[in-house]
Amino acid sequence: AQTVTQSQPEMSVQEAETVTLSCTYDTSESDYYLFWYKQPPSRQMILVIRQEAYKQQNATENRFSVNFQKAAKSFSLKISDSQLGDAAMYFCAFYNAGNMLTFGGGTRLMVKP
Amino acid sequence: EAGVAQSPRYKIIEKRQSVAFWCNPISGHATLYWYQQILGQGPKLLIQFQNNGVVDDSQLPKDRFSAERLKGVDSTLKIQPAKLEDSAVYLCASSLDTGIPLYEQYFGPGTRLTVT
Repeated sequence: AQTVTQSQPEMSVQEAETVTLSCTYDTSESDYYLFWYKQPPSRQMILVIRQEAYKQQNATENRFSVNFQKAAKSFSLKISDSQLGDAAMYFCAFYNAGNMLTFGGGTRLMVKP
Repeated sequence: EAGVAQSPRYKIIEKRQSVAFWCNPISGHATLYWYQQILGQGPKLLIQFQNNGVVDDSQLPKDRFSAERLKGVDSTLKIQPAKLEDSAVYLCASSLDTGIPLYEQYFGPGTRLTVT
């Protein structure tokens, strides 16, 4: 069974600064997908970014980028130029064929003005 | 494009009572998911439907939880009887299809259930 671990229950960042959220996972598979989801206080989960394991290039979506280290089974999310609207719970998730989407325990990100 | 709709948004019941949640996925989405999210944890998949057939219900407590997706569109999730540990947010999600290539899951706002 796949497991996803987020070791930072809470993180804080100053507005306009950069913050990195950590995620590690455990799998014996070689082909899989990794995701970061954002869940604002309203509770609607939104996909932030995804990474296919076969791609060596790290995914980027505007101010959001990942550092994917396949050998280390690490998948961190970097948020640049943090904004007040980035405050939310962030969940790392793992998927491979034939299995379900597995989420980590989440990291609460606070953005200070 | 309308998103995933869920109702009710909040529900408070006493233990041993029954409760039902409703989900309307995005139009045209073949796959529908129900997740349970206990406070402070990530969502956990309860059941996955492909059209009106069950793909995965391995984590559904079948002695008290049931779900159906009649006609492959709307879905209902029922708990009978409820226990205190069922207090959670129940999230519904849908995607165009399942498998590889991977289609994005779109989530609804959830139903917050409190069992007293």
